Amino acid sequence: DGGITQSPKYLFRKEGQNVTLSCEQNLNHDAMYWYRQDPGQGLRLIYYSQIVNDFQKGDIAEGYSVSREKKESFPLTVTSAQKNPTAFYLCASSIELLAGGVDTQYFGPGTRLTVL
Amino acid sequence: AQSVTQLDSQVPVFEEAPVELRCNYSSSVSVYLFWYVQYPNQGLQLLLKYLSGSTLVKGINGFEAEFNKSQTSFHLRKPSVHISDTAEYFCAVSDWNAGNMLTFGGGTRLMVKP
Repeated sequence: DGGITQSPKYLFRKEGQNVTLSCEQNLNHDAMYWYRQDPGQGLRLIYYSQIVNDFQKGDIAEGYSVSREKKESFPLTVTSAQKNPTAFYLCASSIELLAGGVDTQYFGPGTRLTVL
Repeated sequence: AQSVTQLDSQVPVFEEAPVELRCNYSSSVSVYLFWYVQYPNQGLQLLLKYLSGSTLVKGINGFEAEFNKSQTSFHLRKPSVHISDTAEYFCAVSDWNAGNMLTFGGGTRLMVKP
């Protein structure tokens, strides 16, 4: 059964600690994305990756880091430099359209991060 | 840069009534438009998308949307809602130059009352 998994579903962290959110997909997609969702707001792009070993900053990358060592995996680290990390984090993937155009982004179930 | 406006943050409606969730976008170039639904504490699920062709797009769960280029709108409609339609709905837009990047609206919470 193809899809995107994110773990854990709920995560608690003390201030000053780094934490890593997992995102795995078995859809054979080249492109992967991380979004942040705050109450009453839309999704904001943190980072995206179009191919293994390459990634780009999105609109709100400060305080976050990513890696893309495998096609299936795109972990997100929330560092202590992120001033307000409490949020719902969503991972997505899609095929990569190098020649332009667009295709559907498929989303994982999300991780809710709470900083205590 | 593109922007997407969902004019209503909340829409209360009674069960079996029709509903329209409004979405307007700013881009003047060729656009691709999406509606996603999010149930509480879950990810986003694609309802429907407009890439080209017929301006009336039908999606899952009885939803449909109409692309109106002159009004830069992509409103979502359902003729008769169910309690199970209670969720957050997001409109998103991309264009040819944006790669596969999506710009999301702020979301509309649909609250279906018995």
